[in-house]
Amino acid sequence: QVQLVQSGAEVKKPGASVKVSCKASGFTFTCCHMHWVRQAPGQGLEWMGIISPSGAYTNYAQKFLGRVTMTRDTSTSTVYMELSSLRSEDTAVYYCAKDLGGSWTFDYWGQGTLVTVSS
Amino acid sequence: QSALTQPASVSGSPGQSITISCTGTSSDVGGYNYVSWYQQYPGKVPKFMIYEVTNRPSGVPDRFSGSKSGNTASLTISGLQAEDEADYYCSSYTSSGTWVFGGGTKLTVL
Repeated sequence: QVQLVQSGAEVKKPGASVKVSCKASGFTFTCCHMHWVRQAPGQGLEWMGIISPSGAYTNYAQKFLGRVTMTRDTSTSTVYMELSSLRSEDTAVYYCAKDLGGSWTFDYWGQGTLVTVSS
Repeated sequence: QSALTQPASVSGSPGQSITISCTGTSSDVGGYNYVSWYQQYPGKVPKFMIYEVTNRPSGVPDRFSGSKSGNTASLTISGLQAEDEADYYCSSYTSSGTWVFGGGTKLTVL
């Protein structure tokens, strides 16, 4: 069965960076685009970006341009999302999500990683 | 890219039908048939319920259906059940090669 297992919760100070990982299993890792979505406490879902199956192509929401980097390691079936220059507004649960492949739908989600930004 | 517009809340009694709207623009909802819907219980991971406007993945009850007219997509839940009480989000692919979510709708089953 498809599983996306994310790294554990993080606490960071303003201005720092965080790197969240998402290890995939149960499907052919190189098949599919992967997305990152975040959800601030009590708020809605916010799409952050996408990375292609090879990792050669990424596209980020304009809001995060210059601060976010998504990468993937096919040898370990892991995708990563790094967000820099953290501020308190970045406190959120970060999810990785697999794309359904051609349907541009997020069909499987990781369990979420809480990133808390606090001085 | 602005968020898609959803009503903040909707409610209905068991057995009734409700519809949640999701309004965008011709650059997202109106321009592509890549609208999907997600159900999220408090503190839980979102679950996809509808993809490509009208398609239901296996395991999703046929009480859930999707449609689209112009720049507005809709999720209809018929035969409302207590377990349907959750937050619902729409999402659309956009002309920028990005995705955008709606603000979310809280469904209350009275």
